[in-house]
Amino acid sequence: EVQLVESGGGLVQPGRSLRLSCAASGFTFDDYAMHWVRQAPGKGLEWVSGISWNSGSIGYADSVKGRFTISRDNAKNSLYLQMNSLRAEDTALYYCAKDMESVVISGVFDYWGQGTLVTVSS
Amino acid sequence: DIQMTQSPSSLSASVGDRVTITCRASQGISNYLAWYQQKPGKVPKLLIYAASTLQSGVPSRFSGSGSGTDFTLTISSLQPEDVATYYCQKYNSAPRITFGPGTKVDIK
Repeated sequence: EVQLVESGGGLVQPGRSLRLSCAASGFTFDDYAMHWVRQAPGKGLEWVSGISWNSGSIGYADSVKGRFTISRDNAKNSLYLQMNSLRAEDTALYYCAKDMESVVISGVFDYWGQGTLVTVSS
Repeated sequence: DIQMTQSPSSLSASVGDRVTITCRASQGISNYLAWYQQKPGKVPKLLIYAASTLQSGVPSRFSGSGSGTDFTLTISSLQPEDVATYYCQKYNSAPRITFGPGTKVDIK
């Protein structure tokens, strides 16, 4: 059974940093691209960032480019999102999502974690 | 950047009704279009990808069609468990991905 478990969310002041983690199990982690998707309270889905299986291809939404960094550790079956210079508008539930294709980034998400809540407020 | 729009933003229909949701891309995206269902308080679920391919385990009352700029998600016979917000998503320029704003479906 595929499982994605996010952690690391919490309350943080504007301008500070936070690192999210996603622990993956139930599939061959290093075969698949992975993504972060967020959802502000009462709002729609927003793709944040994606990373290929070997970290060779990485993409960011314009809203986070230059502030967020995605990474992965295939030996630990883990995905990360380093978030710097946080703003109030970054407040959201952050989901880890598995890409449905192996090796390439398809951009289709077949499994999602339960999410971790990030609140940016003074 | 290619923008995604959905219509209607919300709808209310009776059990058994045929429901159609439209998604439009500001530029052609071939068939790089997926649909997700998010029930209240739940995690999004993949319904359809490649515009019309049903994800494994998804009931056959869901179907998708379209190519280029105009796409539709159809629920052939609305069920109470279909109450959810439905999002389209373009992925022609992966890893850069864009979701539509969502369509909320309720039971009348």
